[in-house]
Amino acid sequence: KAGVTQTPRYLIKTRGQQVTLSCSPISGHRSVSWYQQTPGQGLQFLFEYFSETQRNKGNFPGRFSGRQFSNSRSEMNVSTLELGDSALYLCASSPTGGGRSYNEQFFGPGTRLTVL
Amino acid sequence: SQKIEQNSEALNIQEGKTATLTCNYTNYSPAYLQWYRQDPGRGPVFLLLIRENEKEKRKERLKVTFDTTLKQSLFHITASQPADSATYLCARDDKIIFGKGTRLHILP
Repeated sequence: KAGVTQTPRYLIKTRGQQVTLSCSPISGHRSVSWYQQTPGQGLQFLFEYFSETQRNKGNFPGRFSGRQFSNSRSEMNVSTLELGDSALYLCASSPTGGGRSYNEQFFGPGTRLTVL
Repeated sequence: SQKIEQNSEALNIQEGKTATLTCNYTNYSPAYLQWYRQDPGRGPVFLLLIRENEKEKRKERLKVTFDTTLKQSLFHITASQPADSATYLCARDDKIIFGKGTRLHILP
């Protein structure tokens, strides 16, 4: 079974631009979560999608948005990029996910975003 | 606020010894905790899950304990090897809150 894939792996943008990152979960997984990872803050939860619906949202500004398609693939978008958005963006999938379900998450390799 | 804290940012352990990592939680009662391993430039990989009613869980050289009185989970790697060097993350059951991780270095 193929793992979680994320594209692109590396991205360089300038302040003010917008960016779209893509995540393909493991086949059969319906939950996709997104995280931002920085050296200072660690892994921070952005949002979770399940069956095309946002089920949970972290404490990030509205510039960060996401969506999930009927095939469970997910995209996240960041508009009006700021220098502080430079980070590793990780996506994780699980069969059902959500709340306190006893499901491990499978992480993708991440997209390294650099904002200049 | 609800937090997961991993006390040590970095830990150096001699090869062959047992490495012990700590995860403390506050203002929350998790049904379970998860432990992940992350290598540089890669996503975290799930290692173990321990439920609140389990005192201890083992997997090969790994052992996790869960003490609801102390609000703490300990993660042990016995007979540590240089290949165990990585960052280890503790996560709350809702997968929303992760600890910042402990960078473990096993010295040959």
